[in-house]
Amino acid sequence: DVKVTQSSRYLVKRTGEKVFLECVQDMDHENMFWYRQDPGLGLRLIYFSYDVKMKEKGDIPEGYSVSREKKERFSLILESASTNQTSMYLCASSLPMVTQPQHFGDGTRLSIL
Amino acid sequence: GQNIDQPTEMTATEGAIVQINCTYQTSGFNGLFWYQQHAGEAPTFLSYNVLDGLEEKGRFSSFLSRSKGYSYLLLKELQMKDSASYLCAVMDSNYQLIWGAGTKLIIKP
Repeated sequence: DVKVTQSSRYLVKRTGEKVFLECVQDMDHENMFWYRQDPGLGLRLIYFSYDVKMKEKGDIPEGYSVSREKKERFSLILESASTNQTSMYLCASSLPMVTQPQHFGDGTRLSIL
Repeated sequence: GQNIDQPTEMTATEGAIVQINCTYQTSGFNGLFWYQQHAGEAPTFLSYNVLDGLEEKGRFSSFLSRSKGYSYLLLKELQMKDSASYLCAVMDSNYQLIWGAGTKLIIKP
């Protein structure tokens, strides 16, 4: 079974802090994704990566950056956290074929105070 | 713009059948996914449809009509553990997933 592990289930940070969310997958997947999930909205794509050291902006990249130095690890960085970034953050990975589903981690519930 | 519509919430009885609908308007179509998400947990993959018709997988079936921009997820012999949110997602012409807000399914004994 694919395992996608996010470093924290719950995180509380202060406004202005730099925040790192880590994601590791163990199935050698090429594709990795970061989403945020808010009540009443569908998953919104922040950034994705199709290969090591490669990154592409999703629908809502403002205020975020990412790093993919190794194939199995994809990090999301909030450069200067703000209260509107309080959300559930989900990491996912997949094989590169269109028909392949994304596999998700359990999520990090981030609160910015 | 791109849009996925699902009912916000549905209620059904244990042992019954429920149909969760999803309608979509996207730029291009490269398949439709259904996921299940229990509260506080990761979404897990249920089904993928790219051709019209019904795909059956145990108690769960998924139907697609590309001409109508419509899909449904059919759950039979409902069990209490089926209480969850069900997410519909369409892969558009850029191979990006567009997600619906999800349907919260409540099962009553």
